[in-house]
Amino acid sequence: DIQMTQSPSSLSASVGDRVTITCRASQSMSISLNWYQHKPGKAPNLLIYASLTLQSGVPSRFSGSGSGTEFTLTISSLQPEDFATYYCQQTYSPPWTFGQGTRVEIK
Amino acid sequence: QVQLQESGPGLVKPSQTLSLTCTVSGGSMSRGSYYWSWIRQPAGKGLEWIGRINTRGSTNYNSALKSRVLMSVDTSKNQFSLNLSAVTAADTAVYYCARDSEGLGSYNKWYYFLDVWGQGTTVTVSS
Repeated sequence: DIQMTQSPSSLSASVGDRVTITCRASQSMSISLNWYQHKPGKAPNLLIYASLTLQSGVPSRFSGSGSGTEFTLTISSLQPEDFATYYCQQTYSPPWTFGQGTRVEIK
Repeated sequence: QVQLQESGPGLVKPSQTLSLTCTVSGGSMSRGSYYWSWIRQPAGKGLEWIGRINTRGSTNYNSALKSRVLMSVDTSKNQFSLNLSAVTAADTAVYYCARDSEGLGSYNKWYYFLDVWGQGTTVTVSS
């Protein structure tokens, strides 16, 4: 199985900050990497698929990059509604696996 | 617009089988080449993918849960189901169902992602 490792596990940031979250895979997986936002009591929400393709309806301040084993999610200017936990997920080879999550908190 | 809704017992006794159903509304499960996934989140922990099934009954399961998981699909009811046997307290979690879709990405290739989710249902394993 492909293991996914996210860093950091949590971060504190202010509204307007640029935030970067990294996800590393245990083996090369092309660009088969997705990012989700998860808020307490809600269903996770798909932000980006195939490493860099923005899901319909997701604000353009979210962007993704990377291929192979290293991937990045960037929020260009953090907004109040962006405080949440973010997960990466590989869909290169089943079984799908998630990273452990990055909690973005208010500074 | 497709919506998913989980249903099933909120309390299961240890060693018994956890059974959940996901009902798909707003569209037919058989339309398109989707898979249908189950994911869970224990309290205070991250997301864990359990497995997926398509309308032909083809499945993929989490390696750690494979011996206890069985998924099925009933296209006449537009539902798919999860059975997890021999449960313990470690199986206590919020369980989500989700649509496992394909989309065109870079390099003109198709990629999988979970684009529609249910709201989740809490299952507690306790005597």
